[in-house]
Amino acid sequence: AQTVTQSQPEMSVQEAETVTLSCTYDTSESDYYLFWYKQPPSRQMILVIRQEAYKQQNATENRFSVNFQKAAKSFSLKISDSQLGDAAMYFCAYRWLYSGGGADGLTFGKGTHLIIQP
Amino acid sequence: EAGVAQSPRYKIIEKRQSVAFWCNPISGHATLYWYQQILGQGPKLLIQFQNNGVVDDSQLPKDRFSAERLKGVDSTLKIQPAKLEDSAVYLCASSLHGAYNEQFFGPGTRLTVL
Repeated sequence: AQTVTQSQPEMSVQEAETVTLSCTYDTSESDYYLFWYKQPPSRQMILVIRQEAYKQQNATENRFSVNFQKAAKSFSLKISDSQLGDAAMYFCAYRWLYSGGGADGLTFGKGTHLIIQP
Repeated sequence: EAGVAQSPRYKIIEKRQSVAFWCNPISGHATLYWYQQILGQGPKLLIQFQNNGVVDDSQLPKDRFSAERLKGVDSTLKIQPAKLEDSAVYLCASSLHGAYNEQFFGPGTRLTVL
């Protein structure tokens, strides 16, 4: 079974600074997706960024970028120029690409609570 | 485009009572998921539907939880009887068919069992 571990329950950063959230995962598969989701107090899960395991290039979405180390099974999220609106729970998630029968639900970590200091 | 709709947003019940949650996915999305998110944890998949068929229900506590997706659109998740440990947020998500498609989440239903 796949597992996703987020070792930082809470992180704090000053507005406009850069912060990195850590994630490690365990899988025996070679083809999968990794995701970072944001969950504000409203509870709506919002996709932040996605990485395909077969791509060596790290994904980037505006101020958000990832450092994907496949051999180390590490997938960190870097948020540059932090803004007050970035404050939320951040979840790392895994999805196997070729599970049998089309089962493709996400496996989530426990999350990191990101606090932005004004 | 309308997002995933869920109701109710909040529900408080006594233990051993029954409760049902409703989800309306994004139009055209064949795949529908129910996740359980206990406080302080990440969401855990309960069940996945492809149209009106069950694809994965390996983590659904079938002695008390049931779900259906009649006509391949709306879905209902039921708990009967509820236990204290069922207190959680129940999230519904939908996507187009295929693992490469994004899952879109609804706002969730917060259940409190007293």
